[in-house]
Amino acid sequence: SQKIEQNSEALNIQEGKTATLTCNYTNYSPAYLQWYRQDPGRGPVFLLLIRENEKEKRKERLKVTFDTTLKQSLFHITASQPADSATYLCALEGSYNTDKLIFGTGTRLQVFP
Amino acid sequence: GAVVSQHPSWVICKSGTSVKIECRSLDFQATTMFWYRQFPKQSLMLMATSNEGSKATYEQGVEKDKFLINHASLTLSTLTVTSAHPEDSSFYICSALRGAGALTDTQYFGPGTRLTVL
Repeated sequence: SQKIEQNSEALNIQEGKTATLTCNYTNYSPAYLQWYRQDPGRGPVFLLLIRENEKEKRKERLKVTFDTTLKQSLFHITASQPADSATYLCALEGSYNTDKLIFGTGTRLQVFP
Repeated sequence: GAVVSQHPSWVICKSGTSVKIECRSLDFQATTMFWYRQFPKQSLMLMATSNEGSKATYEQGVEKDKFLINHASLTLSTLTVTSAHPEDSSFYICSALRGAGALTDTQYFGPGTRLTVL
């Protein structure tokens, strides 16, 4: 069956360090993968999209990699700040050639001073 | 920027009543909107795809007669939870697709509606 896995345990890191979050998927061949941020009691906010033919994408302090052989995406936040504390969700194209998204369960990131 | 609003932000109702949730794209037109449900500490689960001027497409296991979706205009989709029961208590989130039809058009999410059924 299709599955998207993110580390369900919270990731606690010190301010200034690089946070690395993992998204693994099975039985999918997505054309793209997206990362979102979700704060408690709020809707997700789009961060980055990476296509299957892209290995890496950057946006300010964010970097995403996409390895279609390993079926894995890594999400990095460099020089992390307490304001980066949130839950981060990865999402895949849900069905071939559609806009439907299937979300992972998310990883809670806590950046402490 | 692209803003999507939801109303109400929270609602408490008695079991057996119906509740309507509105999703609006404030500064862009959205031919397609999506409705999700999220239980505590779980991921967003896609319930249905709402297309302006046509019937919604529901995901497997979602009762279309219980969750009525109406996408009457390019900026408004509504979700009505009919005959709500306590197990329908959840966080309902909508998203609106902004773009010209490319596969990677961005979904913009609303702030969510917390439904509690007593």
